[in-house]
Amino acid sequence: DVKVTQSSRYLVKRTGEKVFLECVQDMDHENMFWYRQDPGLGLRLIYFSYDVKMKEKGDIPEGYSVSREKKERFSLILESASTNQTSMYLCASSNYEQYFGPGTRLTVT
Amino acid sequence: QKEVEQNSGPLSVPEGAIASLNCTYSDRGSQSFFWYRQYSGKSPELIMSIYSNGDKEDGRFTAQLNKASQYVSLLIRDSQPSDSATYLCAVRKRVGTALIFGKGTTLSVSS
Repeated sequence: DVKVTQSSRYLVKRTGEKVFLECVQDMDHENMFWYRQDPGLGLRLIYFSYDVKMKEKGDIPEGYSVSREKKERFSLILESASTNQTSMYLCASSNYEQYFGPGTRLTVT
Repeated sequence: QKEVEQNSGPLSVPEGAIASLNCTYSDRGSQSFFWYRQYSGKSPELIMSIYSNGDKEDGRFTAQLNKASQYVSLLIRDSQPSDSATYLCAVRKRVGTALIFGKGTTLSVSS
């Protein structure tokens, strides 16, 4: 069974904090993705990775960084959280078909 | 022109009817097409993938692809209230590239 897990379902952080969102997949997928989803704006790609230690910027990489040290794990880092980063964060993985994790609803106050 | 376009809806159908969801895309060379269902507060769930022209059926769902006209559609037969959700169309231009998502169509099935 396909499985993508994310470290937290809900997270509340303060402005200026460094935030780590973790994603793990057990399907031996090559590609992993981080999106954010906001009402009216749809799914927006932040970063993706097609191999260990490789990363590509998506549509909205500003204010974010990523790390992929192992094939199964892809981390999203908010270097200094801001209120406009309050959102639903979705991780996904794929070879051909793409599967999403349950999402992390992050609130930055 | 947006890369992947969907009507936002809401699309309202009575229980038992056929729901028809449509999506158009701008890049004629796009290779792979996907439909996701997303319930409120949940993450998107893959329901269909289609790669070649024509129809692909899976239970009550049928995906239709017409590359010449650059559209892909999803038909849901015998719609149920549990089908009420937002349906996202996604397109992959080439192998190894990220999916491009439409903003979704909200479907409401009334009992």
